[in-house]
Amino acid sequence: GENVEQHPSTLSVQEGDSAVIKCTYSDSASNYFPWYKQELGKRPQLIIDIRSNVGEKKDQRIAVTLNKTAKHFSLHITETQPEDSAVYFCAASRKGGTASKLTFGTGTRLQVTL
Amino acid sequence: SAVISQKPSRDICQRGTSLTIQCQVDSQVTMMFWYRQQPGQSLTLIATANQGSEATYESGFVIDKFPISRPNLTFSTLTVSNMSPEDSSIYLCSVERSDRVNEQFFGPGTRLTVL
Repeated sequence: GENVEQHPSTLSVQEGDSAVIKCTYSDSASNYFPWYKQELGKRPQLIIDIRSNVGEKKDQRIAVTLNKTAKHFSLHITETQPEDSAVYFCAASRKGGTASKLTFGTGTRLQVTL
Repeated sequence: SAVISQKPSRDICQRGTSLTIQCQVDSQVTMMFWYRQQPGQSLTLIATANQGSEATYESGFVIDKFPISRPNLTFSTLTVSNMSPEDSSIYLCSVERSDRVNEQFFGPGTRLTVL
C-alpha cells in the first residue's frame, strides 16, 4: 500500500518568512495530493491540492509543487502570519471511489513567531 | 462544500462498553470514510463506508471491533465495540462528492476517552 513520509515534524519561522514542508510517497499510481491544515481542537481543513497532471499550483500565499519522477511534493507558504500556525498534513490517494482513501503523512507543526 | 455533523462531539466511556458515532451530511455524497486520530498523531483510515453493503476495512481494523453502517447517501455510523483505553482517540468521518472527485471534507470529529 501507499506510504507517505513528511518532513520536518516541527517548523518554526518568523512572521513574514517562508515555510516549506516536504512529502514523499511510494505508490506510483497515486495521482491526487491534498494538503490539510488542522488547528488545535479543530477538524482538518483542505487548503490546497494538486493532481498528477500538473507540476505546480498556487493560491494566494500558498503553493504546492509536485515531482512525479521523484515522487515528492511540497507545500510552500510565503509571507507567513501568526494565523498560519497549525499542524499541516500531506496526503496521497488514487482516482475516485474506494481508491480515494487518503494516506496521510505524519504531520508538521508550524509555529509562526512574531 | 457539504455541511457535515457528528454526534456525539465527545464522550467518556467505561472499558468494555460500546459507543456508536453518527455522521450526517446535508447532501448526497458518493463516498464516506472513517478515520482515527490518536492524540498528537496523524490520521489513519479505519474503513470505507459503502452504501447498502459491508464496509471495506483497512489492515489492522476488523468489523467485529468497528462495525459500520451506511443505510443511505447522507448518513453513516461507526461503533467502537468492547472499548479499552487504547481506543481513546478522535474519530472523524469524511465525505467525497461526485462533482469534486478525490476531495475529502471532514466532520468535526468525536473525541472519545475510555477509562
